[in-house]
Amino acid sequence: DGGITQSPKYLFRKEGQNVTLSCEQNLNHDAMYWYRQDPGQGLRLIYYSQIVNDFQKGDIAEGYSVSREKKESFPLTVTSAQKNPTAFYLCASSIRRESNQPQHFGDGTRLSIL
Amino acid sequence: EDQVTQSPEALRLQEGESSSLNCSYTVSGLRGLFWYRQDPGKGPEFLFTLYSAGEEKEKERLKATLTKKESFLHITAPKPEDSATYLCAVRSNRDDKIIFGKGTRLHILP
Repeated sequence: DGGITQSPKYLFRKEGQNVTLSCEQNLNHDAMYWYRQDPGQGLRLIYYSQIVNDFQKGDIAEGYSVSREKKESFPLTVTSAQKNPTAFYLCASSIRRESNQPQHFGDGTRLSIL
Repeated sequence: EDQVTQSPEALRLQEGESSSLNCSYTVSGLRGLFWYRQDPGKGPEFLFTLYSAGEEKEKERLKATLTKKESFLHITAPKPEDSATYLCAVRSNRDDKIIFGKGTRLHILP
């Protein structure tokens, strides 16, 4: 079955630690995205990538980093510079960013602070 | 500034009691409006895309409609399994961004 796989489902971060969230898709989509979801707020875009080896900052990129070395994979690193990392993180993909096709989402990673 | 507002924030209905969820938007040129369903602890699941005023899409007990200022998600004779958060998102012509509303939490009582 084609889809987006996020791992782990739950992740705990210690003070000063960087953690990496995994996102893999087998939909053959060019564009991939990372969103952050907080209670009572809409999804906010962290980073997006339209093609391998290229990515752009979204609205709330500070304290986060990404890479796109393979079409299928778009990992997100939450660095120690992100002072409020507790949230539900969602990865999405679409055929191409400029197309009007919908984004499809993974089932998220919930990040908490120890 | 582009904006998406969903109402109500939460809605409780009896099983079989039809109702509508609202998504009001202000964007400089609408490229598309998307509806998603999100269950607790899961990612959003795509439901519909609407592109122009007057367009309607249906799926089982759900029907989405679009005007120049808002979209409605009509739920006819809902069942408890329709309980979820419903998200609306719009894509703007200006910068190709997708803006999400905060969602409506729907609870259907058996």
